[in-house]
Amino acid sequence: GAVVSQHPSWVICKSGTSVKIECRSLDFQATTMFWYRQFPKQSLMLMATSNEGSKATYEQGVEKDKFLINHASLTLSTLTVTSAHPEDSSFYICSARTDSYEQYFGPGTRLTVT
Amino acid sequence: RKEVEQDPGPFNVPEGATVAFNCTYSNSASQSFFWYRQDCRKEPKLLMSVYSSGNEDGRFTAQLNRASQYISLLIRDSKLSDSATYLCVVNLGNQFYFGTGTSLTVIP
Repeated sequence: GAVVSQHPSWVICKSGTSVKIECRSLDFQATTMFWYRQFPKQSLMLMATSNEGSKATYEQGVEKDKFLINHASLTLSTLTVTSAHPEDSSFYICSARTDSYEQYFGPGTRLTVT
Repeated sequence: RKEVEQDPGPFNVPEGATVAFNCTYSNSASQSFFWYRQDCRKEPKLLMSVYSSGNEDGRFTAQLNRASQYISLLIRDSKLSDSATYLCVVNLGNQFYFGTGTSLTVIP
C-alpha cells in the first residue's frame, strides 16, 4: 500500500506554545488529506479535510484559528496547534486519500502539553 | 442517526475460531467501503477494500450488501496476532465515515 509519513512522532511542549505537525504522502500525490484526533480508548475524530491549494474544511466544533492547516503541495499538509493547552494533548493522525479513494494513515503524533 | 454503526464488542475468541463483524451504513449513495485494523496506540492500517462481489485475502473475507446497506468481515482460523480493533469505513464523495470499531481479542 501507499506510504504516509508524519513528523514528529511525539512531542512534549509547554502550555501556550505552538506545535507544527507534518504529514507527507511519500509515493503518491494526494489532493486531499485528513487530520484526525484520537483520545485514549475512543474513536478517531475527524478534525478537518485538507485540500491542496485551498482552505481546509473544518468539522463542527474544531477551531480553525487554533488548528491551522496548510496543504501547499500534493504531498505535504501541515497542522499547527497554536497556543497549545493541556486539553489539546492527544494522538493526532493524518491520512492521505488516493485516486481510488483508499485512505492511508500516517503513524500519528502523540502530543503532550504540560 | 450515525452514518456508520458498528458493534463495539469486545469479541473474545479462542485461537482457531471464526469470527464475523458487521457494520451498517445509513446513506445508500455511499460509494466505497473499507475495513481497517487499528492496534493499540497505532494508526489504522487498511486491511481490505470491500466490493459487492465479495473479496477474500487469505483468512479474511469481506462482503458488501448494498440492498441491506451492510458490510461484513469474516476472519477464519483466528491468530493471536489478529487481536486489534477493526474499523469499517464508508466513503461518500470526499467524506469518510468511520465506525466506532470492534475490539477483537484472540485468546490462546
